[in-house]
Formats: sequence, C-alpha cells, structure tokens
Amino acid sequence: QQKVQQSPESLIVPEGGMASLNCTSSDRNVDYFWWYRQHSGKSPKMLMSIFSNGEKEEGRFTVHLNKASLHTSLHIRDSQPSDSALYLCAARYNTNTGKLTFGDGTVLTVKP
Amino acid sequence: GGIITQTPKFLIGQEGQKLTLKCQQNFNHDTMYWYRQDSGKGLRLIYYSITENDLQKGDLSEGYDASREKKSSFSLTVTSAQKNEMAVFLCASTAGTGASYEQYFGPGTRLTVL
Repeated sequence: QQKVQQSPESLIVPEGGMASLNCTSSDRNVDYFWWYRQHSGKSPKMLMSIFSNGEKEEGRFTVHLNKASLHTSLHIRDSQPSDSALYLCAARYNTNTGKLTFGDGTVLTVKP
Repeated sequence: GGIITQTPKFLIGQEGQKLTLKCQQNFNHDTMYWYRQDSGKGLRLIYYSITENDLQKGDLSEGYDASREKKSSFSLTVTSAQKNEMAVFLCASTAGTGASYEQYFGPGTRLTVL
C-alpha cells in the first residue's frame, strides 16, 4: 500500500492566490519529508525539505510539519502561472539507504 | 555544480525486446537511483546503488536488471518490454544516504513499447 498520501489530486488557484498542498505518511518511521516540483516534461527539482516540527519559509513557499500526525503541508502564496506543475511529496524512512518514497503528487494549475 | 545525463532521451521498442537505458553523473556522487514514473503519477524505485559495486532492488525491480559500471554511471535494462508500456525512467544521484542529502534528477528517458 502507498505509504505517502497526497491531497488534493489537483488544485486550481487564481494568480496571486494561496495554494495549499497536503502530504501524510502512513508509516511512523519517517525522519525527513521532501517537496519536489516537476514542470510538464521536465525532471523533478527539490523545493524544500523539513524534519523538525514547525514551519520553514523560503520566499513565497512555506512548509509545515506536524510529526505527531505525520503530516506536512506546502503553501505557496502569491501564486504565479509559472508555479503550475506537479508537486511531489517524498518521505525518507529510518534506513541507511537514502531511499525516498514518493506520493502520487498534486497537479497545481494557476489561472492568470 | 554537476549534471546528470540520460541516454537515450526517447526509446521505442518492440514487445519482448531487451532495452538498455544509461545514466551518467559528474557530481562525484556515491549513490544512484533508477525510478519509473507513469503519466501524471509519482516515482517508484526500481533499483539503487549505494556505492560503486553495490546493487539493491527497489519496490519495482521485477522485469528489470541494473548495472553500476563505475562510480559515475548506472544502467538499467528492461529484460522483456511489455506491449503498450509507456513510462518515463528517471535516474537520480545523491552525495550520501544521510537524511539531509538531496536527490538530483536527470532529464529522463521516455519509453514507448509498440
């Protein structure tokens, strides 16, 4: 079964709006969450990572983590059409392999 | 900085054919990964190699073989292509297996099986 669940599957926001994406692990042995962005036809590029409870902000992007509920969320403020992409959440579990388990992603569309 | 190169960019094969995909990185990274991505979906791990001379199966290894020829290169073989199979195969590398090491991805090989 899928260890990493993302919601919603797709999201449409107006330009300048706020986009909120969710990700939950069903396995408690997670020690790091990663968020990747993948534009159509391109490879995934790392956006942000988080391992401590709380939030982390980089420019228009904010990531939250609640370790008790194994839930992370990505928030994009002042969304731009160039933010339209597939957003992938990945979890690293307590192994020494560096393996990541990816969710199926959220497709974000920002309408001008 | 560095770069990951994948060849070929597009691969068209016939059912039952053995097909090989190649990946090269110049980051001098120890660890390399092969993922499969079906249209609009997440990535599933096929094979990975923690260091040169290491090879480990991922969740989707059945139907595939891999080879780590040297530190900078990692190949994936589809042992018998399945009819109507379409997917993108992504190679990634990372400096180590610690929690904070970011994975960097190549541009992908798009496979179509007729």
